[in-house]
Amino acid sequence: GAGVSQSPSNKVTEKGKDVELRCDPISGHTALYWYRQSLGQGLEFLIYFQGNSAPDKSGLPSDRFSAERTGGSVSTLTIQRTQQEDSAVYLCASSGVRAYNSPLHFGNGTRLTVT
Amino acid sequence: KQEVTQIPAALSVPEGENLVLNCSFTDSAIYNLQWFRQDPGKGLTSLLLIQSSQREQTSGRLNASLDKSSGRSTLYIAASQPGDSATYLCAVVSNDYKLSFGAGTTVTVRA
Repeated sequence: GAGVSQSPSNKVTEKGKDVELRCDPISGHTALYWYRQSLGQGLEFLIYFQGNSAPDKSGLPSDRFSAERTGGSVSTLTIQRTQQEDSAVYLCASSGVRAYNSPLHFGNGTRLTVT
Repeated sequence: KQEVTQIPAALSVPEGENLVLNCSFTDSAIYNLQWFRQDPGKGLTSLLLIQSSQREQTSGRLNASLDKSSGRSTLYIAASQPGDSATYLCAVVSNDYKLSFGAGTTVTVRA
């Protein structure tokens, strides 16, 4: 596909369960970001991958959150032992080189609901 | 820490009126500023990217200006249409490569 693809589009899970969210960036894009958007809130930075460099994990809210990017392409965001406050839309974005000289392309997000 | 503020939070105008959306940021050490549009239940769509060395960018009815020294950007949308109704977000890329987003301005264009 031509755009950033995220799956699933919706996920409902029980408190305490683990979830995995997937992001397929645009082919050839080296930069990949994860953001979280809570109801009525702005976008909260979670993690940034750039090529083969060590990811910037400074936005991850707790050690229950982790992310990996395999082969410089697909990325998975994992939330362990989910809590109700984790409910939000999780957005993935990619860009051609670095975001300082190319626009970001966002997926439609995964809406996570923790009951 | 970079703080990005967008004013107003919401705006309602009649069709045909020009729109003016404001964005301010606290740290002028940026690489670029980007404007995005978000429709309900969707991701963000990039509208314009202004490099730190530029003062404005134009695309069709959209024009964005950047005054880096004062930490301000303005998005102008000429001759608004109902299809322009959406939330508009600005984001700055700081020197640590992170994007910091404003909370957005929700625009309603009344037919």
